[in-house]
Amino acid sequence: DARVTQTPRHKVTEMGQEVTMRCQPILGHNTVFWYRQTMMQGLELLAYFRNRAPLDDSGMPKDRFSAEMPDATLATLKIQPSEPRDSAVYFCASGLVGPEAFFGQGTRLTVV
Amino acid sequence: TQLLEQSPQFLSIQEGENLTVYCNSSSVFSSLQWYRQEPGEGPVLLVTVVTGGEVKKLKRLTFQFGDARKDSSLHITAAQPGDTGLYLCGVIKGGSYIPTFGRGTSLIVHP
Repeated sequence: DARVTQTPRHKVTEMGQEVTMRCQPILGHNTVFWYRQTMMQGLELLAYFRNRAPLDDSGMPKDRFSAEMPDATLATLKIQPSEPRDSAVYFCASGLVGPEAFFGQGTRLTVV
Repeated sequence: TQLLEQSPQFLSIQEGENLTVYCNSSSVFSSLQWYRQEPGEGPVLLVTVVTGGEVKKLKRLTFQFGDARKDSSLHITAAQPGDTGLYLCGVIKGGSYIPTFGRGTSLIVHP
């Protein structure tokens, strides 16, 4: 049963600490998305990769967020330093070039 | 302004009732997706509609794409507690290949 795997599922950290979230996309998928979900804003795109190349990170605060794909089986989203306003659920999704996205279970981040 | 407006925002009903939720836009889309997100999980794709006026059925769920491909509806017949969740519509914005989502309709079905 192919699925997107995200780790950790939950993360509580103190303000100022570095947070790294990991995603294993579905094997064979060539697009990867990072989204942030909050009650106020819904699902917001943070980053988009195609064939491991970053194509769009306009939704990401550049001063503290970074996203990479070191290889086809791993995508990472890093926040340094973290702030309380970063508290949200972060989703990774993968797909083929097309409209449909397959989501992981998310990382619930709480910054205190 | 949101590209996709979903209504209602919240819906709380009793088991057995019927309901319809809506996804509206002023833009035309080549396709539209519906997802369901259960509490603590990620969104799961339910269906893609492509043709204006198209109707697709998934058990008790009926999806319709508007004739002008600007809007869509999801009708649930005889809702069950297992239907509880956040229903999201999504589209590809412009020629970007990036899925963009409405804020969703949060549905609670009480036993």
